[in-house]
Amino acid sequence: DQQVKQNSPSLSVQEGRISILNCDYTNSMFDYFLWYKKYPAEGPTFLISISSIKDKNEDGRFTVFLNKSAKHLSLHIVPSQPGDSAVYFCAASGNTGTASKLTFGTGTRLQVTL
Amino acid sequence: DTGVSQDPRHKITKRGQNVTFRCDPISEHNRLYWYRQTLGQGPEFLTYFQNEAQLEKSRLLSDRFSAERPKGSFSTLEIQRTEQGDSAMYLCASTRTGTISNEQFFGPGTRLTVL
Repeated sequence: DQQVKQNSPSLSVQEGRISILNCDYTNSMFDYFLWYKKYPAEGPTFLISISSIKDKNEDGRFTVFLNKSAKHLSLHIVPSQPGDSAVYFCAASGNTGTASKLTFGTGTRLQVTL
Repeated sequence: DTGVSQDPRHKITKRGQNVTFRCDPISEHNRLYWYRQTLGQGPEFLTYFQNEAQLEKSRLLSDRFSAERPKGSFSTLEIQRTEQGDSAMYLCASTRTGTISNEQFFGPGTRLTVL
């Protein structure tokens, strides 16, 4: 039962353009959604989060949008930079048994080209 | 650097051997988690400690797996009688009670290869 889904395994974007990474979820009890970035041979690094009572959260070049009715969220990176090339994981937490565990999607590999 | 540390970073073992991994969380964090990540998948929750108490174990955690956090600081994850299916990246994360978004800080992971 994949409660958090990232249907695009990879994405290629030119430097300076917008990167949009998508995530869908099935469990309406999630109360926070988080995005993590992972480089090879490193652990995931927190990027940005959003509460389920919000529809947008912005932090510098990163903006996360949440559409609760569609159970969909997206991460926008503007402008994209070569250093953004990594695997991005969408994660959710909330009242799912263990209140604090994270449920992750399968990740989207972003490549930012010159 | 006061981030989450894990030891060893890599472990190669033969099927049937026991292995133990260590995680040192960020010092003021009372919550500690273990996750497992296999190729092409996101991290999957294994178990969770609040201070020294193990509050939940995933059904992924078979009887061959045991985790401890004896003094509420570092934690160990032991796998007995390893199987090839145990090959994965084992990630440790920590956070503090009351962190609003439940942001967790991850260590670099221990990559286990079972031959």
